[in-house]
Amino acid sequence: AQSVTQLDSQVPVFEEAPVELRCNYSSSVSVYLFWYVQYPNQGLQLLLKYLSGSTLVKGINGFEAEFNKSQTSFHLRKPSVHISDTAEYFCAVSRYNNNDMRFGAGTRLTVKP
Amino acid sequence: KAGVTQTPRYLIKTRGQQVTLSCSPISGHRSVSWYQQTPGQGLQFLFEYFSETQRNKGNFPGRFSGRQFSNSRSEMNVSTLELGDSALYLCASSLDRVGGNTIYFGEGSWLTVV
Repeated sequence: AQSVTQLDSQVPVFEEAPVELRCNYSSSVSVYLFWYVQYPNQGLQLLLKYLSGSTLVKGINGFEAEFNKSQTSFHLRKPSVHISDTAEYFCAVSRYNNNDMRFGAGTRLTVKP
Repeated sequence: KAGVTQTPRYLIKTRGQQVTLSCSPISGHRSVSWYQQTPGQGLQFLFEYFSETQRNKGNFPGRFSGRQFSNSRSEMNVSTLELGDSALYLCASSLDRVGGNTIYFGEGSWLTVV
């Protein structure tokens, strides 16, 4: 079965600084990879996803992620964060033939002024 | 286009009771999944329904059950509630079961068991 490890539980960063949230996955078959964001008291919102093709994926709100098959990683990056980016970020993986999505434990991004 | 709607948003139940949560998927979406989110265990997959049939099930006891109706609306039921069932229950929908489909989440139902 597939699984996801988010390497940092909390990431504090100052406003306008760059940020990288790290995600490693494990699977014996090809998978699809996702990043979701959860703001307080809300559900999850898709930031971006990797299905195939270009390994650099651009998402909403200026986020991007790079799929690295050899390192089984899918790290999320943003060159300059805003206070409004403060939220919980989840990396997730699913197999090609079903919607059983497995989530990482989440990374709490806190952007400080 | 309306998003995934979950009701109720907040509820408090007593240990031993049962609870039913409802989910209306995005119009046209046929796959509905349920997740449990807790601070200790994170987001855990409960089950997925497609065309009124359970297609996948996570590692939860039989007290957790669900169903899907012909209009794709779904309900999940938890019987004999335990304190540890206190959680945010998230419903998600997608067009179909092909992996890679964007899964859209509702805002969740907050269940507190006392």
